[in-house]
Amino acid sequence: KQEVTQIPAALSVPEGENLVLNCSFTDSAIYNLQWFRQDPGKGLTSLLLIQSSQREQTSGRLNASLDKSSGRSTLYIAASQPGDSATYLCAVSTGANNLFFGTGTRLTVIP
Amino acid sequence: NAGVTQTPKFQVLKTGQSMTLQCAQDMNHNSMYWYRQDPGMGLRLIYYSASEGTTDKGEVPNGYNVSRLNKREFSLRLESAAPSQTSVYFCASRTGASGNTIYFGEGSWLTVV
Repeated sequence: KQEVTQIPAALSVPEGENLVLNCSFTDSAIYNLQWFRQDPGKGLTSLLLIQSSQREQTSGRLNASLDKSSGRSTLYIAASQPGDSATYLCAVSTGANNLFFGTGTRLTVIP
Repeated sequence: NAGVTQTPKFQVLKTGQSMTLQCAQDMNHNSMYWYRQDPGMGLRLIYYSASEGTTDKGEVPNGYNVSRLNKREFSLRLESAAPSQTSVYFCASRTGASGNTIYFGEGSWLTVV
């Protein structure tokens, strides 16, 4: 069974700092990997989707990379802002009908 | 632009009671999903529907039933609620192809006492 791990579970950084969130998965036979943001009491919002054939995707201040062979992905956030405070989850798709989620990293950006 | 809409947002049930969580999407997606989210365990798939008229079990289906009423709607039913079903439930949808983005509703907080 696919296992997805996110370390650390929580992270606090001062505003303006660049930061990296980590995601690892045990089975490299994936279709794609997605990064999500979850605000307290809310659903998940998709940030970036990386297909298995891709190495990275960028959206604004966010850059996600994928190394399928080593089972790792990183989410890089540049020039962090207090509004970036949320829980970030990664999920891998191993088929048409499931995603395997990590337990998330709770990010706090301190003004 | 509603996206994925879930009702109710909050519900308290007594052990043994039944209830149905409703989900509707307005994006003409083929695939719909029900997940539960528990502290320290991430999101786990309960049931999914790859297309109208089909449903399949996910990772944690015991104690639940689903109905894909039409292309838009996918409901989750708890026939006899148990405290272990206290959780946050999320409905999601996507076009069906595994490479596409999945969209989530805002969640339903269920407490079984």
